[in-house]
Parts: sequence; structure tokens; C-alpha cells
Amino acid sequence: DSGVTQTPKHLITATGQRVTLRCSPRSGDLSVYWYQQSLDQGLQFLIQYYNGEERAKGNILERFSAQQFPDLHSELNLSSLELGDSALYFCASARSNYGYTFGSGTRLTVV
Amino acid sequence: GQNIDQPTEMTATEGAIVQINCTYQTSGFNGLFWYQQHAGEAPTFLSYNVLDGLEEKGRFSSFLSRSKGYSYLLLKELQMKDSASYLCAVWITGGGNKLTFGTGTQLKVEL
Repeated sequence: DSGVTQTPKHLITATGQRVTLRCSPRSGDLSVYWYQQSLDQGLQFLIQYYNGEERAKGNILERFSAQQFPDLHSELNLSSLELGDSALYFCASARSNYGYTFGSGTRLTVV
Repeated sequence: GQNIDQPTEMTATEGAIVQINCTYQTSGFNGLFWYQQHAGEAPTFLSYNVLDGLEEKGRFSSFLSRSKGYSYLLLKELQMKDSASYLCAVWITGGGNKLTFGTGTQLKVEL
């Protein structure tokens, strides 16, 4: 157990729908990062939050949004889902400049 | 922009040594990480280099040359369980601190 908790582990939904992925960071970590990993693709950075504030934005679609709450958990909202959004979504947390600890990921399948 | 290159695939024999190379061109460099990722699972931390030179940790070693924008991961006494994807990632500072990942090297260990 890495200490970073992601739910749900698996999600199957239809095109056009909206889903919310949840992440609880490791205790003491203020930064939360979201990444998307499509089949045979590398980890693509989506967005970073630090202590409730957005810090960096990557290749995140306008249909996607995220937030970090006062208790530091974060949610990634994906709307108007398309088949191409099917991927593994990872959350990671960090305390300093020593890399991340990843959650186990959410596998999203859009049908 | 950021550019990280590593070979797509490598094959090696159980008990042998393999070296996985990574070259990068980035701004705001603040360290290089190697992660291991088994299919469908979360990446797990292997090593971190911020200064030039070799860092050794058991069967795994990682080398960094900042002037050349080059790193390698050395795996000794290969085991079947080492079959996985190995991700090179650069820690970027400025505009939010984050890891930028290469697309990964899929290592297959054969008998």
C-alpha cells in the first residue's frame, strides 16, 4: 500500500457521460498530480494541485476539470466522455522535490 | 519544450545485465527519476539522481550526466520478475514542480 488511495479501481461508462475520480494523498503530502496513461502511451501530465490551489496545467482537455479540497483529497471530473478517453488515470502525491508516490490508478473504459 | 527519449523495447536473458538509456532536453531540470511499471499497475520508484555520477541500490544502479542530458538504468542479475516497463522521468521546476515522463522502455526477460 503506497498510502495514496484512488477510487474507484475500475469504471465502465457510456459515451457522453460524466464521471468523477477520487484521490486521497499520502498523509503529509500537500501536492496532488493527475496523469493519464492510454494504451501504449506514456504518462501524460494533466494537472497539479498544491494545498488546495492549482499549480500547473498540462494537456488537460476542457471537458476535464479537477479540484483539491481542504482535507487535501482531490477529484478529477471527466465529462462528455469519448471512446478515446478510455485510459488508466493515476493520481500521485508528493511532499518535496523527491518524486511521487502513485496511487493504484483508475481504469476507465468508455463504451 | 521538454523532450525525453528512451528505447521502446529491449530483450535480455535471465541472469544477465541490461542497460536502459535515457536522453533528455529540458529546462528547469532538478533531478532524474527511474520508475518501474508492470502492466496495468502503478509506477513504483526505483532511483533518483540529481548530481552527476552513479547511484547504486542493490541490483539496480542509475547514472546521470547533466552536461550531456543523459542517464541510464543498469539492472544486474536479471530475474523474470524484472520484465516490465521502465520509465525515465525528469523533475521540472518552474510553473509548478512536476515529473515529465518518457514513453518507457518495455523490458522482456527471457530464459
